[in-house]
Amino acid sequence: AQKVTQAQTEISVVEKEDVTLDCVYETRDTTYYLFWYKQPPSGELVFLIRRNSFDEQNEISGRYSWNFQKSTSSFNFTITASQVVDSAVYFCALSGFNSGNTPLVFGKGTRLSVIA
Amino acid sequence: ETGVTQSPTHLIKTRGQQVTLRCSSQSGHNTVSWYQQALGQGPQFIFQYYREEENGRGNFPPRFSGLQFPNYSSELNVNALELDDSALYLCASSLVGPTDTQYFGPGTRLTVL
Repeated sequence: AQKVTQAQTEISVVEKEDVTLDCVYETRDTTYYLFWYKQPPSGELVFLIRRNSFDEQNEISGRYSWNFQKSTSSFNFTITASQVVDSAVYFCALSGFNSGNTPLVFGKGTRLSVIA
Repeated sequence: ETGVTQSPTHLIKTRGQQVTLRCSSQSGHNTVSWYQQALGQGPQFIFQYYREEENGRGNFPPRFSGLQFPNYSSELNVNALELDDSALYLCASSLVGPTDTQYFGPGTRLTVL
């Protein structure tokens, strides 16, 4: 069975601080995808990144960066120089290789509050 | 914006009633997935439709059913509503294939009284 654990329920930081959101996953599949989604108060899940299990290179996109470590089954997300607009619930998710028709398994989410 | 739309935005029903939620997928996407998100929880997979056929189902009872139409839009039907059905219902569309991502709509918030 697949499982995603986001141990941090809520995080509060002051604007401009860096913050890392943790994600640990379990799967028996040798091939899989990992995702991060952002859910602002409006409710819509906004896609941030997809990573396949073959690619352990870290990725940076502006103030966002992701650290995938297969050895520890972790896929952590760092926001550098946080801003108030980053306040949201962030979900880590896992799916089988054919991500178009296999379900996403989500963690419970981490609520990030960035205080001005 | 993803191009995935859902209606209605909010809905209030009473226990025992039936409800239909609608989703229009992003242009060109032929797969629609439905998720239920209870308050404070991550989304849970209900089922997926691909080319008008059910293509996978999560741990939800048969009173949760769906349809996908030739234009790839979709409906989620819930019969005999229970209080625990109160949740945000999210629809996601994707192209079927190993590199595809699910893009979500804004959701329908259902309250069952």
